[in-house]
Amino acid sequence: ETGVTQTPRHLVMGMTNKKSLKCEQHLGHNAMYWYKQSAKKPLELMFVYSLEERVENNSVPSRFSPECPNSSHLFLHLHTLQPEDSALYLCASSQEGYGGADQPQHFGDGTRLSIL
Amino acid sequence: KNQVEQSPQSLIILEGKNCTLQCNYTVSPFSNLRWYKQDTGRGPVSLTIMTFSENTKSNGRYTATLDADTKQSSLHITASQLSDSASYICVVSARLSGGYNKLIFGAGTRLAVHP
Repeated sequence: ETGVTQTPRHLVMGMTNKKSLKCEQHLGHNAMYWYKQSAKKPLELMFVYSLEERVENNSVPSRFSPECPNSSHLFLHLHTLQPEDSALYLCASSQEGYGGADQPQHFGDGTRLSIL
Repeated sequence: KNQVEQSPQSLIILEGKNCTLQCNYTVSPFSNLRWYKQDTGRGPVSLTIMTFSENTKSNGRYTATLDADTKQSSLHITASQLSDSASYICVVSARLSGGYNKLIFGAGTRLAVHP
């Protein structure tokens, strides 16, 4: 148990569907992250939220829309995705800022997304 | 350009044998280096963290080394077990202003331990 829970674990959707991925952390951390993991490629950072404000958006297409209503919850809203968006989407949390710079990111087990 | 390269891409060993995974990086300013283990179907879990002044650190059968001069790290697994089958990801942290870290991920080494 990592303290970071992602739902659903698996999701199959058509290109015209709208769905959302959910992440919840029980660690009291102040930063949360969305990553995309494709086969044989490094994890790609998508979004960073620190103290519920988005601090980084790595040129992610607008068909991915994040939402962070509070420090414990993070959503990734999906609409009109493409087949190349099929991947494992990982959520992570950490304690950032002075005194927390050497703290690890704690990852959830991911949502395996398949676009038909 | 900040980059982390891992080798080999994949590795098969027999149970009980030792192995060493490599990580080369070009990251500045360097903050720390972590090795993560990612089991199939799970998220990555931190194994070790090494800062600039540390040369070696152990976590059970896992021993990580760091050469900050050559910007290389290795992860040595002793007396491998079937449960060591996983992907091992090298992650280097660059220290940004405000105390925040930017993580640069390697593509990982996929290790398979066979009986």
